[in-house]
Amino acid sequence: DAGITQSPRHKVTETGTPVTLRCHQTENHRYMYWYRQDPGHGLRLIHYSYGVKDTDKGEVSDGYSVSRSKTEDFLLTLESATSSQTSVYFCAISTGTSVEELFFGEGSRLTVL
Amino acid sequence: AQSVTQPDIHITVSEGASLELRCNYSYGATPYLFWYVQSPGQGLQLLLKYFSGDTLVQGIKGFEAEFKRSQSSFNLRKPSVHWSDAAEYFCAVEGGSNYKLTFGKGTLLTVNP
Repeated sequence: DAGITQSPRHKVTETGTPVTLRCHQTENHRYMYWYRQDPGHGLRLIHYSYGVKDTDKGEVSDGYSVSRSKTEDFLLTLESATSSQTSVYFCAISTGTSVEELFFGEGSRLTVL
Repeated sequence: AQSVTQPDIHITVSEGASLELRCNYSYGATPYLFWYVQSPGQGLQLLLKYFSGDTLVQGIKGFEAEFKRSQSSFNLRKPSVHWSDAAEYFCAVEGGSNYKLTFGKGTLLTVNP
């Protein structure tokens, strides 16, 4: 158990509203990632972080921003949610100095009406 | 950029039968390769990984995979499938680019009694 907690686990919101998803880890690992999972697309990387205040974009970063002000927390923000952002969002951490293994949270299901 | 192809979207096998899930990758050098499994409503769990050395790697739950450089493949196998193996399986590659994993679109495995 890599001690990853995602919140909220489920959220329904309306188009145009801001949404923040939180990923919390208990073990101070350096690398953290946000993926989204959609049927027929597998998992796609949104943003990742390699340290406090060090973040970079993934392949589907448009419409998303992230912040990491503390080692243990990695926040994903949808500034103005759209229906295309309805998805299951997974946070992951890497426990090594490289991608030796990713540990995933249980996911946050977001529905944008 | 690296990419992963899982040609089979859905596979159905009978319990006790053998299983092979296909994965092809695209990357210029020797990549790091992974297989993950996802049970319904859960996050992803690592089955096995290949970094270097012996091209046949053993994983958890009786799974194995073989890296074939000439075919750019990393197929997952199990000699005898159990009903509890029903899940979605994802192949992933890490090509040395800031420790990011690229996932295939997944193969859904159904196991018939």
